[in-house]
Amino acid sequence: GENVEQHPSTLSVQEGDSAVIKCTYSDSASNYFPWYKQELGKRPQLIIDIRSNVGEKKDQRIAVTLNKTAKHFSLHITETQPEDSAVYFCAVGEYNNNDMRFGAGTRLTVK
Amino acid sequence: DAGVIQSPRHEVTEMGQEVTLRCKPISGHDYLFWYRQTMMRGLELLIYFNNNVPIDDSGMPEDRFSAKMPNASFSTLKIQPSEPRDSAVYFCASKAGLNTEAFFGQGTRLTVV
Repeated sequence: GENVEQHPSTLSVQEGDSAVIKCTYSDSASNYFPWYKQELGKRPQLIIDIRSNVGEKKDQRIAVTLNKTAKHFSLHITETQPEDSAVYFCAVGEYNNNDMRFGAGTRLTVK
Repeated sequence: DAGVIQSPRHEVTEMGQEVTLRCKPISGHDYLFWYRQTMMRGLELLIYFNNNVPIDDSGMPEDRFSAKMPNASFSTLKIQPSEPRDSAVYFCASKAGLNTEAFFGQGTRLTVV
């Protein structure tokens, strides 16, 4: 099955700085790459996603980039704010299987 | 729609007891997923269903775990007998189709003592 690795496991930044979280995957057939945010004690919620026919997608302060050749994708958060503090999960979906496997998560702290 | 609904929100049980977790997906969603979340292992996919049929149960840790989806609006995850290492938050999620957003329930926090 798909193997999703996420780095770093923890990330601490100063308010206003940028944060970058990276994920790698193993299955070249994967074609859907969402990112979820989970605040303390709450459910994961989608914040942005990208499909394999696109290299980059932006939504205000959040962007995701995809490198299909290298099989990695990244979440970029600019001008971080305290409310960005949460655990962020990347996930990978594949056309044929339609399951969705998650990375181990990154705990982001904005000071 | 009220979203994905899970029950109970919290469950405390003694080792050896049977535990049943319940999930009602969003109406019209064809896919239902069960995940287990722990600090050590993150979000693990246990099993998922498509149109009420189990598609991949390779993530189910052992035979003590079983899941059913008798109809499009209801699924259960059962652990029998439960063990302390099963303590975790169990999430149910549903989605409408291929490469679409998965919506999570609020989760069930299971504690086995």
